[in-house]
Amino acid sequence: AQSVTQPDIHITVSEGASLELRCNYSYGATPYLFWYVQSPGQGLQLLLKYFSGDTLVQGIKGFEAEFKRSQSSFNLRKPSVHWSDAAEYFCAVCGAWDAGNNRKLIWGLGTSLAVNP
Amino acid sequence: GAVVSQHPSRVICKSGTSVKIECRSLDFQATTMFWYRQFPKQSLMLMATSNEGSKATYEQGVEKDKFLINHASLTLSTLTVTSAHPEDSSFYICSAKTGEPYNSPLHFGNGTRLTVT
Repeated sequence: AQSVTQPDIHITVSEGASLELRCNYSYGATPYLFWYVQSPGQGLQLLLKYFSGDTLVQGIKGFEAEFKRSQSSFNLRKPSVHWSDAAEYFCAVCGAWDAGNNRKLIWGLGTSLAVNP
Repeated sequence: GAVVSQHPSRVICKSGTSVKIECRSLDFQATTMFWYRQFPKQSLMLMATSNEGSKATYEQGVEKDKFLINHASLTLSTLTVTSAHPEDSSFYICSAKTGEPYNSPLHFGNGTRLTVT
């Protein structure tokens, strides 16, 4: 079955500290993976994506993620967190074809990030 | 580029009335749009996939007669919550793909907070 697991529901870090948000997926074929960020009361913004090639991908706002096939993981990292990074972070994988010839995103439950000054 | 505009951002309506939410792709043509519902502190729940010029594909458990979706043009999809009830109060988010390939990222609107009194 296809699924995305974000083990950490809530994380608190101090401003300036490093950050790693975990994401594990279950998908039989080559996964197409995404990280999105959602600020309170807002829609979602794409941070980065992995399709193929270099397993370390760079995104916006200083974020990066590393695809590790052996661990079925796609963890999001940032070397130094800013207070404005406080938000909800969602990992997603592009699922299999459905009857309507679409491939839907399968979402993790999200990780809420709080940043202490 | 790839801006999705969702309107209104907030709406309060009385029980039994209908509410229409618009989702527009401002600078691209979106053959496929997705409607999500998000409960507080939870992940996104896909309600339906909207394809331009054809009937929407609803996810299991979503009442098609209650949540009417119209994707009449390549830049506009609407979600109408008919005969709204307090349990329909939620955050509704639309998203659109800029086209092929199937794994192209989604671009999200800023969501609509619906409150039914």
